[in-house]
Amino acid sequence: AQTVTQSQPEMSVQEAETVTLSCTYDTSESDYYLFWYKQPPSRQMILVIRQEAYKQQNATENRFSVNFQKAAKSFSLKISDSQLGDAAMYFCAYRSANQGGSEKLVFGKGTKLTVNP
Amino acid sequence: DAGITQSPRHKVTETGTPVTLRCHQTENHRYMYWYRQDPGHGLRLIHYSYGVKDTDKGEVSDGYSVSRSKTEDFLLTLESATSSQTSVYFCAIRSNPGAVHEQYFGPGTRLTVT
Repeated sequence: AQTVTQSQPEMSVQEAETVTLSCTYDTSESDYYLFWYKQPPSRQMILVIRQEAYKQQNATENRFSVNFQKAAKSFSLKISDSQLGDAAMYFCAYRSANQGGSEKLVFGKGTKLTVNP
Repeated sequence: DAGITQSPRHKVTETGTPVTLRCHQTENHRYMYWYRQDPGHGLRLIHYSYGVKDTDKGEVSDGYSVSRSKTEDFLLTLESATSSQTSVYFCAIRSNPGAVHEQYFGPGTRLTVT
């Protein structure tokens, strides 16, 4: 079974600075997808960014980018120019690309990010 | 906004009572999911549906049942609620277009079993 590990329960960053959240995963599959979700205090789960394992290029969405290291099974999230609104829980998630089945997401336990003004 | 609503948004119930949570979507998505979120566990899949009347179990399905009689509604039932089922419950849909099929989540239901 696949597992996702977020080793940093909490992180903090100064406004306008850059922070990197870590995620590692364990799988025997070669084809899969990885996601970062943000959960602000409102509790809504918001998709931040996704990465297809077959793509070597790291995904980028505005101030959010990932460092995907397939051999190391590492998928970190970098937030540049941090804003107060970035304060939230961040969850890393894995999904198999195998067709059929549930296509369920396997989540890490989350990292709580605090942004200091 | 993936057009997902959940009802109720908050509920307090007593141990042993039945509880039904509703997930409603407006965009005709085939796949729907129920997850629970607990401190220290992230989100875990309870049940999912891949079409009307087509459902299957996730990793934490004990004590839960689901039904999907029409595309837009996916119901989660706790037949006899227990304190261990106190949690936040999220419904999700799988987007239809494209190969990645991201999942988008509803606003969540906070359930407290006393």
